[in-house]
Amino acid sequence: NAGVTQTPKFQVLKTGQSMTLQCAQDMNHNSMYWYRQDPGMGLRLIYYSASEGTTDKGEVPNGYNVSRLNKREFSLRLESAAPSQTSVYFCASTATGFEQYFGPGTRLTVT
Amino acid sequence: QKEVEQDPGPLSVPEGAIVSLNCTYSNSAFQYFMWYRQYSRKGPELLMYTYSSGNKEDGRFTAQVDKSSKYISLFIRDSQPSDSATYLCAMSGNDYKLSFGAGTTVTVRA
Repeated sequence: NAGVTQTPKFQVLKTGQSMTLQCAQDMNHNSMYWYRQDPGMGLRLIYYSASEGTTDKGEVPNGYNVSRLNKREFSLRLESAAPSQTSVYFCASTATGFEQYFGPGTRLTVT
Repeated sequence: QKEVEQDPGPLSVPEGAIVSLNCTYSNSAFQYFMWYRQYSRKGPELLMYTYSSGNKEDGRFTAQVDKSSKYISLFIRDSQPSDSATYLCAMSGNDYKLSFGAGTTVTVRA
C-alpha cells in the first residue's frame, strides 16, 4: 500500500517549456487535489477533482491544466512554464474531504 | 486579507515545554478544523480534526475551536524533539476545499 505517489520528485524547466506532474493513489479515494506550497503562503489549491470525471478550479488555477485519467490518477500540466511557477507541488486524495493524504511532493524550478 | 491567518514563527522551545499554536479565520462557513504536521521535505499529514466548536484531546495534543471568535488553537504538552516540524492549520466548509494557514515552524530543543 503506497498511499499517494508523485513523479517526478525534482524537475528543472526553462521558461516556456511544458511538463506533466503525475499523481496516483491506491486508497480507492474519490477526491483528489493539486496544491502548490510557497514560503510564507501555505498550501494553495490549484485544481481538484471531487470524483472521477469531474475537475474544478481552486484558488490559483491560471497556467495549469489537469486530467483525472481514472479513479487512481490525477495529472497536472504546465503548458508554458514561468518562473512564478517555481514551487513545491503536492497531490492529495481523500475519502472524507477533510482527512487528506498527501504525496511526497515535486520540487519544480523554472529558470 | 488572507482567509486564514497563522503566525509563521519560528517557535523554539525546550524539551518538555508546552507548545501553543493558533490561527484566526474570516469565513463563517468553515465547519471542519484541522491541524496538519509537516516534517522537512515531506508532505503534510493530518494530526487532528474537530467539527464545529469545542475541544478535542489525543494523547499530548489538544485542539480547541472557538467559532464565536473565529480562533483555533493546538497545544502540545511535554514536547519532544520529534515534535519539531511545521504545523499547518486548515479549515473547510461542506465543499471539502481546504484553506490552509501559512504554517508555524516549531523546534523543540533537547
